[in-house]
Amino acid sequence: EPEVTQTPSHQVTQMGQEVILRCVPISNHLYFYWYRQILGQKVEFLVSFYNNEISEKSEIFDDQFSVERPDGSNFTLKIRSTKLEDSAMYFCASSLRDTQYFGPGTRLTVL
Amino acid sequence: SQKIEQNSEALNIQEGKTATLTCNYTNYSPAYLQWYRQDPGRGPVFLLLIRENEKEKRKERLKVTFDTTLKQSLFHITASQPADSATYLCALEVTSGTYKYIFGTGTRLKVLA
Repeated sequence: EPEVTQTPSHQVTQMGQEVILRCVPISNHLYFYWYRQILGQKVEFLVSFYNNEISEKSEIFDDQFSVERPDGSNFTLKIRSTKLEDSAMYFCASSLRDTQYFGPGTRLTVL
Repeated sequence: SQKIEQNSEALNIQEGKTATLTCNYTNYSPAYLQWYRQDPGRGPVFLLLIRENEKEKRKERLKVTFDTTLKQSLFHITASQPADSATYLCALEVTSGTYKYIFGTGTRLKVLA
């Protein structure tokens, strides 16, 4: 059964550094998403992406964040200058329409 | 703005009983509502989607209802098993057709053997 994959599973970085989180969505899906989940808190929407452009973004998704689909398979989330409060699990998801399939997540730790 | 409330943070039930979880939303009725399961340290796993014109949907031991008058969805697990222990999340679109979703805080279900 096809699944969403994410790399790395765990990323440790220093405050102020740039990180890129990678995702490979399910191949025939059209919509792509990034969410984050701070430990013990709810899943929060960051951004949705459709037809090679951002469809919707939340207040969290400020100028420090960007997304890209550099080729036909990868979908990346870049955080330009990480802050301590960016420490969280980041989940990628994809959907053909309204049912989202989530990846296993990348745990980002900012020191 | 649209808000979701899952009003039980944790629920403990005995194996074999039916677990009932509640999801309430505050504003407009969404075109559909989704339920997910999340295990610790893992991504949410889709379980069921129910549309506004569907009163009830079933999948094996799972049942979801959707009451647009009460602005509520109920999620039932019948004949519960310890393996059903997890956090259950409901989710809906902030505005219909936007593909921008909000999730509830989840209900942590523990099924006791």
